[in-house]
Amino acid sequence: QVQLQVSGPGLVKPSETLSLTCSVSGDSLSPYYWSWFRQPPGKRLEWLGYIYFSGTPNYNPSLKSRVTMSVDTSKNQVSLNLTSVTAADTALYYCARRFDLWGQGTLVTVSS
Amino acid sequence: EIVLTQSPGTLSLSPGERATLSCRASQSVSGTYLAWFQLKPGQAPRLLIFGASNRDTGIPDRFIGSGSGTDFTLTISRLEPEDFAVYHCHYYGSSHTFGQGTKVEI
Repeated sequence: QVQLQVSGPGLVKPSETLSLTCSVSGDSLSPYYWSWFRQPPGKRLEWLGYIYFSGTPNYNPSLKSRVTMSVDTSKNQVSLNLTSVTAADTALYYCARRFDLWGQGTLVTVSS
Repeated sequence: EIVLTQSPGTLSLSPGERATLSCRASQSVSGTYLAWFQLKPGQAPRLLIFGASNRDTGIPDRFIGSGSGTDFTLTISRLEPEDFAVYHCHYYGSSHTFGQGTKVEI
């Protein structure tokens, strides 16, 4: 059974970098792309971007200057970095295999 | 940018009843890239339908997706207690966008 688990700090200070890791068990990163999404409180889901198992990314243009994704095939992990965070980045963050298999979200709060 | 608008915002129904959820796109989209999924608090989102009308593995046949162009529908033919949740439509074409969700409540 494939499982995706997001880990990382639940609290990040404004202007700092939000870093999350998605650990994949039960499947290989290949041949898929791996997506990141988020849902701020009371708002609709937002696509942050995705990254292929090969390392080629595709970011949401609205966040492109702040987001970086990477893969570590040796650890079967995918990572998300979001720089210069503000309160608007407070959200439930999800990783997913393509669009079809999602992990449980993790809440990240941006606050001093 | 494609905007997906779902209606109604909330659907109040009883177990055994039929639920009809609508998702309207701001411009015509390929049904190949239209999905529906179910969201419950504290759980991973669950894909129900992909390609507008294809049930994902293990999804009961009471979940029926249909539509094309700008209008898509998710029908739950007979609500089971576990079906009370929030449902989102999702376009996963060149970029991804989501509807705001429809809550199906008892």
